[in-house]
Amino acid sequence: GAVVSQHPSWVICKSGTSVKIECRSLDFQATTMFWYRQFPKQSLMLMATSNEGSKATYEQGVEKDKFLINHASLTLSTLTVTSAHPEDSSFYICSASLWGNTYEQYFGPGTRLTVT
Amino acid sequence: TQLLEQSPQFLSIQEGENLTVYCNSSSVFSSLQWYRQEPGEGPVLLVTVVTGGEVKKLKRLTFQFGDARKDSSLHITAAQTGDTGLYLCAGAWGGKLIFGQGTELSVKP
Repeated sequence: GAVVSQHPSWVICKSGTSVKIECRSLDFQATTMFWYRQFPKQSLMLMATSNEGSKATYEQGVEKDKFLINHASLTLSTLTVTSAHPEDSSFYICSASLWGNTYEQYFGPGTRLTVT
Repeated sequence: TQLLEQSPQFLSIQEGENLTVYCNSSSVFSSLQWYRQEPGEGPVLLVTVVTGGEVKKLKRLTFQFGDARKDSSLHITAAQTGDTGLYLCAGAWGGKLIFGQGTELSVKP
């Protein structure tokens, strides 16, 4: 149980275009989903917390107009990187928490974004 | 700002050796989790510790939560090459997880 999927697993896009990444909880309903960014050999950096039906809460330093998050249902959250630039290239990982149990998070397999 | 200091950041050992990874903070966490991550994949939850002084064992892995719930350790006995990966501790605070810097473990045959 507690499986989280991400799509796509990798994507290459040109500078200036937008990319959407999907995060789905497959076998449970997730009231809260989280989006992280990870650089090689480094730990996870929380970008934003997403609650179903409400606006996402962004961490300090994360541009909300650049990283658009939508949590339309209890099983789906999306991250859209708008007007992508090479410095946005990174490994993006989502996680989902079970109802009333926000301290256990189940992570997706990640999406490798390369902006050329 | 809640911080989790994880050490060591890099560890290279021979198969069969024992090792301990530490996770320390000046803050109290309601729970602490350990994850293992392989390259190109998402972290996988290994264990959650909730009670101060708690010890949990997962085969050759032993996890301990400090009495004051400010620190934790992961001990691996007789490491195997399959233990190679990035180990992350994470403390629950304010509805989110605070991650340590990670420990890159390499177990050589």
